[in-house]
Amino acid sequence: DAGVTQSPTHLIKTRGQHVTLRCSPISGHKSVSWYQQVLGQGPQFIFQYYEKEERGRGNFPDRFSARQFPNYSSELNVNALLLGDSALYLCASSPHLGTGNTEAFFGQGTRLTVV
Amino acid sequence: TQLLEQSPQFLSIQEGENLTVYCNSSSVFSSLQWYRQEPGEGPVLLVTVVTGGEVKKLKRLTFQFGDARKDSSLHITAAQPGDTGLYLCAGAWQNKLVFGAGTILRVKS
Repeated sequence: DAGVTQSPTHLIKTRGQHVTLRCSPISGHKSVSWYQQVLGQGPQFIFQYYEKEERGRGNFPDRFSARQFPNYSSELNVNALLLGDSALYLCASSPHLGTGNTEAFFGQGTRLTVV
Repeated sequence: TQLLEQSPQFLSIQEGENLTVYCNSSSVFSSLQWYRQEPGEGPVLLVTVVTGGEVKKLKRLTFQFGDARKDSSLHITAAQPGDTGLYLCAGAWQNKLVFGAGTILRVKS
């Protein structure tokens, strides 16, 4: 079975541009979460989507938005890119929303560099 | 704000040595997960601990969840160069994962 797939794997953008990152969860998984990992730090929670609805939002500006499609794939959009948005963006897939045992499986990430 | 502190931040040891990585918080988590991450890759789930006091073993790795579900430890016996990587602990809280900053482990042959 395919794991979590993310595209693209690497991306270079200029300040002020917009970017869209894509994620396909594990087959049968209905929950997708997005995390930002800056070099030298652990991943930081951005969004969680379950059954196409936003179920959680981290402490990120409104420049960050996301959505989930009927096939449970997801997109993360970032507008007006800043140098500080350079990071590894990770998508995590879970079988359900979870009430505590939120076991998540991560994709390989998209390395975004803003210049 | 839920925070997880990992220690040490960096560990460089010789092949065959034992080591322990700690993950501590003042918050109670419903579960705690340990991940291993290689450069440029996503984190790979190693184990999930749910019950306070729980101990799980994965070959040479032993994971323990504190009785109060606020802390955890990862012990590696007879480390090998293939164990090299970034080890992350993550607490489950309100349907999201709160990650520690990670422990970089380097095992020299």
